[in-house]
Amino acid sequence: SQTIHQWPATLVQPVGSPLSLECTVEGTSNPNLYWYRQAAGRGLQLLFYSVGIGQISSEVPQNLSASRPQDRQFILSSKKLLLSDSGFYLCAWTGIAGGRETQYFGPGTRLLVL
Amino acid sequence: GENVEQHPSTLSVQEGDSAVIKCTYSDSASNYFPWYKQELGKRPQLIIDIRSNVGEKKDQRIAVTLNKTAKHFSLHITETQPEDSAVYFCAASSGYALNFGKGTSLLVTP
Repeated sequence: SQTIHQWPATLVQPVGSPLSLECTVEGTSNPNLYWYRQAAGRGLQLLFYSVGIGQISSEVPQNLSASRPQDRQFILSSKKLLLSDSGFYLCAWTGIAGGRETQYFGPGTRLLVL
Repeated sequence: GENVEQHPSTLSVQEGDSAVIKCTYSDSASNYFPWYKQELGKRPQLIIDIRSNVGEKKDQRIAVTLNKTAKHFSLHITETQPEDSAVYFCAASSGYALNFGKGTSLLVTP
């Protein structure tokens, strides 16, 4: 079966520090991968998505970037964190359920920027 | 791009009553409409979805209806239970990405 992993689970970082969040998927090949951010008590904001290695689409211009160095690995990065980067970061992938594609979320990373 | 509006933002019902959450979308090309449930501190979990070739889908106490002409879809939960309390998100998609509504916080009181 397919599983999706994210780490770290929680992270506290000072303003201006770099960031690297990792997401990996097991049990599938060439998945579509996504990064979302959820601010406290708010909705889900799509940040990036990728349909293949090295292919990244950015939905919201900001100080974050994403990379997909391997088929099942998706990384979210920042060179300098802002206070507003705090939130719950969710990786997601598109898989097959009932014979059709649907989207599943990873466990998430809680980021607090101080 | 796609714009998904979700109402209400909060909903409180008594156990056993029904709950209805409504969403509208703007992109007529959207053809996939999932609903997610997010419990406090956890990831969103897919609870039901519908595609544009059907008008209604039911799974036990949960049902979703879709009106493509009016560009709106709804989640119906019958015989609500306290464990149904969570934030519910609707979404719409015509391609790779899902566009989410802002969520509805549902509280089911015993």
